[in-house]
Amino acid sequence: GAGVSQSPSNKVTEKGKDVELRCDPISGHTALYWYRQRLGQGLEFLIYFQGNSAPDKSGLPSDRFSAERTGESVSTLTIQRTQQEDSAVYLCASRFRFASDTYNEQFFGPGTRLTVL
Amino acid sequence: GENVGLHLPTLSVQEGDNSIINCAYSNSASDYFIWYKQESGKGPQFIIDIRSNMDKRQGQRVTVLLNKTVKHLSLQIAATQPGDSAVYFCAEGESGATNKLIFGTGTLLAVQP
Repeated sequence: GAGVSQSPSNKVTEKGKDVELRCDPISGHTALYWYRQRLGQGLEFLIYFQGNSAPDKSGLPSDRFSAERTGESVSTLTIQRTQQEDSAVYLCASRFRFASDTYNEQFFGPGTRLTVL
Repeated sequence: GENVGLHLPTLSVQEGDNSIINCAYSNSASDYFIWYKQESGKGPQFIIDIRSNMDKRQGQRVTVLLNKTVKHLSLQIAATQPGDSAVYFCAEGESGATNKLIFGTGTLLAVQP
């Protein structure tokens, strides 16, 4: 596809339920990031994948959050036992190269708006 | 991070005027900086970036200025248009294995026709 895609675009769930969010990065992009954006706020880094390297999970807010990535393609972000404070837009971004290159732009998807009732 | 609630700083300008959006960054080790534009319901869109060995970079109608001494970044938009209305975020990054970005809280630019 032409850009990063995410699904679903909107997700409404009940407190305590698990949710799974999907990200399809731009083909050929080796790096993939997940961010969380609460209403009216900036983006919080959650997790980073780069090829077969161990992911950087330093931004995950609790052990209810986890993410997987299949090779250099699709990624899923899973939130278990959702809480109302998990309500936010979850954004995925991908980037072409990695490490010491000079091209740092991250391309963002449209996000998934999660509402926990 | 700091919770600034729902009240984004807002800059209101008249169409045709120049806009200046400011940002303070936190990490002295950051070696590149990016400005993103985010329209309602969309993901952030890259505008322009600058590396730490530069203090100014120009794009089409936009200029980014970097002052490392005071850890300050600004985005200047010339001849602001209604289509420029959006939330603007600065982001700082440190080249290396992760290249994760640290985002500021954003500024809402409202262009009055």
